[in-house]
Amino acid sequence: QSVLTQPPSVSGAPGQRVTISCTGSSSNIGAGYDVHWYQQLPGTAPKLLIYGNSNRPSGVPDRFSGSKSGTSASLAITGLQAEDEADYYCQSYDSSLSGLGVFGGGTKLTVL
Amino acid sequence: EVQLLESGGGLVQPGGSLRLSCAASGFTFSSYAMSWVRQAPGKGLEWVSAISGSGGSTYYADSVKGRFTISRDNSKNTLYLQMNSLRAEDTAVYYCAKVPLSVVVPAATLDYWGQGTLVTVSS
Repeated sequence: QSVLTQPPSVSGAPGQRVTISCTGSSSNIGAGYDVHWYQQLPGTAPKLLIYGNSNRPSGVPDRFSGSKSGTSASLAITGLQAEDEADYYCQSYDSSLSGLGVFGGGTKLTVL
Repeated sequence: EVQLLESGGGLVQPGGSLRLSCAASGFTFSSYAMSWVRQAPGKGLEWVSAISGSGGSTYYADSVKGRFTISRDNSKNTLYLQMNSLRAEDTAVYYCAKVPLSVVVPAATLDYWGQGTLVTVSS
């Protein structure tokens, strides 16, 4: 059970907008630590999607956007495409844990 | 182009040891911190360990502290993870990942990942 809570699954039709939440607390997101998002396509390694809460690495389409407010962060995907079907993970840091990183439990996005 | 290639995974008995390697190319290896992340079969990602670019600072998750050792050889552009006293719950795909800083800071992002190597702990 991660300290960063994500919905196990979300779904949407092609062209629609979906959001994936990452809910934390005052010892992680609420303490001001950055949130990053990763996309893991089936059978592949994770890929950085959003860094520093809302920044896109070069090559990531602007259909993907990130935001953070209070103790939560969100990943939004607009103009949903079949190739977006993947697992999505948020990552941050929690001061109550050892180590320097913690991941959310992951969200499976299904494109209907 | 940044490339990270893990190796060294395999089947090992409980209590055994294994050393993973991650060969890096396409960037100045010694200038960047590196990390290991694992993923148990059908499960989510778990941050395991990290090391600064110089190798002088290392960090571990509670679940592996005292059993795993992260190290690097900057002359060989290679990252290592020595895993001792392995348990069934260590079974996972192990990924090495690059940190876009020379030091490891809380919530550091991981900007490039290898393809992973599978470690199976079973008798």
